Amino acid sequence: NAGVTQTPKFQVLKTGQSMTLQCAQDMNHEYMSWYRQDPGMGLRLIHYSVGAGITDQGEVPNGYNVSRSTTEDFPLRLLSAAPSQTSVYFCASSYSREGGSAGELFFGEGSRLTVL
Amino acid sequence: AQSVSQHNHHVILSEAASLELGCNYSYGGTVNLFWYVQYPGQHLQLLLKYFSGDPLVKGIKGFEAEFIKSKFSFNLRKPSVQWSDTAEYFCAVNGFGNAGNMLTFGGGTRLMVKP
Repeated sequence: NAGVTQTPKFQVLKTGQSMTLQCAQDMNHEYMSWYRQDPGMGLRLIHYSVGAGITDQGEVPNGYNVSRSTTEDFPLRLLSAAPSQTSVYFCASSYSREGGSAGELFFGEGSRLTVL
Repeated sequence: AQSVSQHNHHVILSEAASLELGCNYSYGGTVNLFWYVQYPGQHLQLLLKYFSGDPLVKGIKGFEAEFIKSKFSFNLRKPSVQWSDTAEYFCAVNGFGNAGNMLTFGGGTRLMVKP
């Protein structure tokens, strides 16, 4: 299995540009989420989804949109990039709480975004 | 709301030294606890987890962690570190009642092991 696949791995944007970070998982996980990683701040949750058609905001949702049209895909959209969004972004997925591994996240390899 | 605090931001050890990384969490109910590791240039990987039962859990590569409920702590330990343990370590908590299996992460501890 490929697990969680993120694209692109690297991206440079200019302020005001928009883009989409792609995330796909092939483990039939119900839960998917996006985190950003910044030095000294750990990982902070941006948005998450508990199933197709259902999304909700995390700790730092401003400036980002998500959608979940299928179980497999959970893209993250930057509407108008700002330098404060320079970060490493991780997509993660997990089984539902009823599963034996509730809460255990499987991470993608990350997408490093620089906004100039 | 849940929160996680990791007290050591940077730790430097020599090979064969013992390791203990502190982790304290804040949440009023039942929790699942995790330690993740991120090796240089790689994504996060699960090191070990606590759901219930024996509060001393063993993970991969000789790591273990002890859940002390009264102290809201989940410290990570390893008796003898190796150069290959150089990485960043993240403690995380998932409180029951939180939708979407959301994990709250600590700020991370960057470990450097000198050969």
